[in-house]
Amino acid sequence: KAGVTQTPRYLIKTRGQQVTLSCSPISGHRSVSWYQQTPGQGLQFLFEYFSETQRNKGNFPGRFSGRQFSNSRSEMNVSTLELGDSALYLCASSLGDSPYNEQFFGPGTRLTVL
Amino acid sequence: AQSVSQHNHHVILSEAASLELGCNYSYGGTVNLFWYVQYPGQHLQLLLKYFSGDPLVKGIKGFEAEFIKSKFSFNLRKPSVQWSDTAEYFCAVNAASSGDKLTFGTGTRLAVRP
Repeated sequence: KAGVTQTPRYLIKTRGQQVTLSCSPISGHRSVSWYQQTPGQGLQFLFEYFSETQRNKGNFPGRFSGRQFSNSRSEMNVSTLELGDSALYLCASSLGDSPYNEQFFGPGTRLTVL
Repeated sequence: AQSVSQHNHHVILSEAASLELGCNYSYGGTVNLFWYVQYPGQHLQLLLKYFSGDPLVKGIKGFEAEFIKSKFSFNLRKPSVQWSDTAEYFCAVNAASSGDKLTFGTGTRLAVRP
């Protein structure tokens, strides 16, 4: 069974640009969650999508947005990039239909903002 | 809102030493508890989880954790560490009513000397 895949793996952008990251969940998984990982703040929850609907949202500014498609693939978008957005962005998927589902993490996309 | 604190940021041990990593959480309701591990250059992966029942849970690679409800703690233990246990360890909680949203601690970097 293929794991969670994220593209691209590495990205370099400049301040003010926007970026779109993609996540393909494990086949059959309907929930996709996004996390930001930085050395200073650790792992912070961005949002969760389940069956194309945002089910949970973290405390990030509106520049961070996401969506989920009917095949459960998800994208997250960051507009007007700031230096502080440099981070590893992790995606996790689960079946999503129970609080006892295990989440599986992808390798992440490392975003560098110059 | 839930929060998680991990007491040790960096731990250095020699092989065969015993390990205990502390984790305390703050949340008034029912929680699910997790320990994740991130080996160098690898994905986050689940070590073990607690949902209900026996408060002593066993995970992969000889790890175990004990949930002590009165202390809001979920400490990770391993009787004898190996060099291959060198990794970063994250404690996480999920409020039973909040979908897949995980709140992570800041992580503990474990270095095991051969």
